[in-house]
Amino acid sequence: AQKVTQAQTEISVVEKEDVTLDCVYETRDTTYYLFWYKQPPSGELVFLIRRNSFDEQNEISGRYSWNFQKSTSSFNFTITASQVVDSAVYFCALSDRFSGGYQKVTFGIGTKLQVIP
Amino acid sequence: DTGVSQDPRHKITKRGQNVTFRCDPISEHNRLYWYRQTLGQGPEFLTYFQNEAQLEKSRLLSDRFSAERPKGSFSTLEIQRTEQGDSAMYLCASRAAVDTEAFFGQGTRLTVV
Repeated sequence: AQKVTQAQTEISVVEKEDVTLDCVYETRDTTYYLFWYKQPPSGELVFLIRRNSFDEQNEISGRYSWNFQKSTSSFNFTITASQVVDSAVYFCALSDRFSGGYQKVTFGIGTKLQVIP
Repeated sequence: DTGVSQDPRHKITKRGQNVTFRCDPISEHNRLYWYRQTLGQGPEFLTYFQNEAQLEKSRLLSDRFSAERPKGSFSTLEIQRTEQGDSAMYLCASRAAVDTEAFFGQGTRLTVV
């Protein structure tokens, strides 16, 4: 069965520090998709990034960057120069063909990030 | 289109009552999903529709739960004879294809007292 592990349940950093959120996944599939979502206190899940298993290029979007390593089954998320507005719960997620033909997305339990001013 | 919308945002109900939630997906998305999220957990899949067809239901979805998407547009999720364990955030999402991201609504927070 597919599984997503976010070992860090809560992280606190001081504003302007860099922070990395870890995500380790398990799947038997060779073609799969990984996602990161942000859930601010308002509750809505905000899509951040989607990555397919064949694209191991790291990606940078402003202060956000993602490191995908198939060899270690990890898809880590780094926020550079964190800001108070980054405070939220961040979810890593996975879908593969064994999850209803990519229909179901399995989420980790999330990492709550608190950025202290 | 401004995204996925859900109604109501909050619902407080007495145990044993029936409740119904509505989800309006992004208009061009033919895939619609319901998830449930309890405190401190990630969202868990409940069911999904492709157009008006309900193609899969999770074992989490007991007989008291029913979902519909009558015309392949909006969807409703009904919970009959609510129990305190049903208290959770119910999230709706839609997407255009399986290899694209799902967009989520703001959720309906259900409290059963």
